[in-house]
Amino acid sequence: AQTVTQSQPEMSVQEAETVTLSCTYDTSESNYYLFWYKQPPSRQMILVIRQEAYKQQNATENRFSVNFQKAAKSFSLKISDSQLGDTAMYFCAFILAGGSQGNLIFGKGTKLSVKP
Amino acid sequence: SAVISQKPSRDICQRGTSLTIQCQVDSQVTMMFWYRQQPGQSLTLIATANQGSEATYESGFVIDKFPISRPNLTFSTLTVSNMSPEDSSIYLCSVALTGPETQYFGPGTRLLVL
Repeated sequence: AQTVTQSQPEMSVQEAETVTLSCTYDTSESNYYLFWYKQPPSRQMILVIRQEAYKQQNATENRFSVNFQKAAKSFSLKISDSQLGDTAMYFCAFILAGGSQGNLIFGKGTKLSVKP
Repeated sequence: SAVISQKPSRDICQRGTSLTIQCQVDSQVTMMFWYRQQPGQSLTLIATANQGSEATYESGFVIDKFPISRPNLTFSTLTVSNMSPEDSSIYLCSVALTGPETQYFGPGTRLLVL
């Protein structure tokens, strides 16, 4: 069975600084996808970034980038130039590729607070 | 992505009653899913809503408790039946535009059962 672990229940960062959220996962499969979702207090789950396991290049979306280490089964999220609007719960998620069902496996989340 | 709406956004219900949650998408999508997020917890998949056939339920979830309909490619409902306080959660629908690998979520329905 696949598992996703986020070891940091809470983190804080000063506005304009950089913060890295950690995520590790466990799977015996080689083809899968990894995601970071953001859930602000409004509770809307927003897809932040996506990484295909077969791609060595780390995904980047504006201020958000990942450090994907497949051998170590690690998938961290770096947020640069943090903004107050980045305050949210961040969930790391995993899904096997090629399946017909949609079972995203989520970590327990990291609560990020951006302080002015 | 897609624009996804859910109704109701929140509700307070009495135990023993049922609530039907609607999920509407602004475009046809291949797959729709229902998740539960218990207080302070992560998301757990309840089922995949299949268009024109019975939903596919994950372990621990059954059709009698969570009946699901998907009459077309843009709409689905989840019913929480015979509710108890343990059903108090946020219920979210998600959609996949192509394969299930990338899902977009609706705003969620916050349910409180007294």
